[in-house]
Amino acid sequence: GAVVSQHPSWVICKSGTSVKIECRSLDFQATTMFWYRQFPKQSLMLMATSNEGSKATYEQGVEKDKFLINHASLTLSTLTVTSAHPEDSSFYICSARESRLAGGPKFVDTQYFGPGTRLTVL
Amino acid sequence: LAKTTQPISMDSYEGQEVNITCSHNNIATNDYITWYQQFPSQGPRFIIQGYKTKVTNEVASLFIPADRKSSTLSLPRVSLSDTAVYYCLVGDIDTGFQKLVFGTGTRLLVSP
Repeated sequence: GAVVSQHPSWVICKSGTSVKIECRSLDFQATTMFWYRQFPKQSLMLMATSNEGSKATYEQGVEKDKFLINHASLTLSTLTVTSAHPEDSSFYICSARESRLAGGPKFVDTQYFGPGTRLTVL
Repeated sequence: LAKTTQPISMDSYEGQEVNITCSHNNIATNDYITWYQQFPSQGPRFIIQGYKTKVTNEVASLFIPADRKSSTLSLPRVSLSDTAVYYCLVGDIDTGFQKLVFGTGTRLLVSP
């Protein structure tokens, strides 16, 4: 199956610093990647949709100036948490969309998720 | 809002077959159904995806009735390592991309 990696897998930083998280699709090209956040015992919450070569689309309530997203290539998207604060501590997960032919002209669209990045802000 | 409804939790024993049903009453014509498995502190893992009838792979089977208003993920002979949260999602591929909205998922606990 398709593989998505994230780096780093965990990071601890001081309040006020910025942290960059990388998401890579290893064996397929992804024109669209997604960023999620997950708090303990809760479900995944979509933060933004990242499209290669264009600006990201943010979900309601997500500050675009705080969570900077860059999708510079078909295999890499980055999320930068700027001026991180303790309330930003969470599990950040990316996914990459793979579209492939599934017989005839029909495409099958599947999202594959990265392993996640645990961010702890002190 | 999530487009799906699942039981919050289920219990099973090793070796049993587990069926998790998901309701998606407002599923649209173009929507596919996808199931993911998530272990603590890991990203969701793709299990299976289908549109109608039955889909089977090496891990699970997905049963979708003709009206597509529900689907059932079937895990044959579960083991302790199948303890996880299982998410059912629907998404429209024909709008250009599949924006997935996660519901609460089903927490499956497999006991010895």
